[in-house]
Amino acid sequence: DQQVKQNSPSLSVQEGRISILNCDYTNSMFDYFLWYKKYPAEGPTFLISISSIKDKNEDGRFTVFLNKSAKHLSLHIVPSQPGDSAVYFCAATDYNNNDMRFGAGTRLTVKP
Amino acid sequence: GAGVSQSPSNKVTEKGKDVELRCDPISGHTALYWYRQSLGQGLEFLIYFQGNSAPDKSGLPSDRFSAERTGGSVSTLTIQRTQQEDSAVYLCASSLARAGGTDTQYFGPGTRLTVL
Repeated sequence: DQQVKQNSPSLSVQEGRISILNCDYTNSMFDYFLWYKKYPAEGPTFLISISSIKDKNEDGRFTVFLNKSAKHLSLHIVPSQPGDSAVYFCAATDYNNNDMRFGAGTRLTVKP
Repeated sequence: GAGVSQSPSNKVTEKGKDVELRCDPISGHTALYWYRQSLGQGLEFLIYFQGNSAPDKSGLPSDRFSAERTGGSVSTLTIQRTQQEDSAVYLCASSLARAGGTDTQYFGPGTRLTVL
């Protein structure tokens, strides 16, 4: 059962523009959400997170938005840079469980 | 290098053989996770170790899969009688404590397993 879904397998944007990566989840028990970034031949690295008590968290060029009623979150990257080109995974967990559910990933390509 | 390391980086095996995958977590991290990523899929949780507590094996797909963590540090994931559907990238991650809190998981580079 895919409790976390990233419906866009790929996204291409021009350098300097905004990148918006989307993620949907089905489990209403999830209360903590994360985005990971993965370069080829490397493990995922943590990028940004958000607790369910918030609807927005910002860190530099990266902002995560959470819409609990829609069970949807998104990652905004502004401005996008070529070095942002990677696969981005959305993940969700709840404080009572040990497992973290990941989406299938979205491959972002930022063109110079 | 203080990151999570995994070995081997690549493993090709024949169907029916057993394989062992190794993970060295970051020193001092008490939590250790195994995930696998099949082609086109997200990361799938397999097993979780926390300190000296009994591991959470709820994600293991079959009894052919087992894992150990010796001395609270190094972990070995063993797959017996491998099948072609076991082909995936196996990722290990460690954190200071449970991922359910704010403790970030740090991932290793993964082991790419190919079962012929």
